[in-house]
Amino acid sequence: GAVVSQHPSWVICKSGTSVKIECRSLDFQATTMFWYRQFPKQSLMLMATSNEGSKATYEQGVEKDKFLINHASLTLSTLTVTSAHPEDSSFYICSARDPASGTYEQYFGPGTRLTVT
Amino acid sequence: ELKVEQNPLFLSMQEGKNYTIYCNYSTTSDRLYWYRQDPGKSLESLFVLLSNGAVKQEGRLMASLDTKARLSTLHITAAVHDLSATYFCAVDILLTNAGKSTFGDGTTLTVKP
Repeated sequence: GAVVSQHPSWVICKSGTSVKIECRSLDFQATTMFWYRQFPKQSLMLMATSNEGSKATYEQGVEKDKFLINHASLTLSTLTVTSAHPEDSSFYICSARDPASGTYEQYFGPGTRLTVT
Repeated sequence: ELKVEQNPLFLSMQEGKNYTIYCNYSTTSDRLYWYRQDPGKSLESLFVLLSNGAVKQEGRLMASLDTKARLSTLHITAAVHDLSATYFCAVDILLTNAGKSTFGDGTTLTVKP
């Protein structure tokens, strides 16, 4: 199946700093990528839909000025957590759909664990 | 608004036993997916179900879809410890939902010897 990578796999940062997470589709082009956040023992919460060449679409309640998304190419989307606070500590997962697959399924990255101290 | 409900949320079972996880959804769906998540890891795709009556099997896991009942099941046969994980179902409504998936709350399965 298609492969999606994320970098870094984990990051620790101080409160007030910004952190950038990269999501790459390695063997397919993705016009749309999705960013999720998952707190311990909870389900995935969709934060935003990243669209190549246009603005991201944010879910209700997600601060777009805090979670900056850029989808500059067909294989790369980035999520920047600005002015991070301890409550932003979470597991961030990206995904992308491979339009060439008959099932249109999502392929998930390995996730990035963010800890804000 | 599409809602996806899984039950049970927690399941503890003995090795060798059979059990079923249920996934109900509230509106007509284009696709239904089952995923597995191990602690500290991301999601691993298990099954994609595309039409009414679809049945997929892989090892001790079998998934089925009844679109009329808006119900999918994940059946576990003769459970082994390696199946311990959290299982999520997710539903797509591609045309009206911008390609987004709605996830159930997950079922945490613990298989005991």
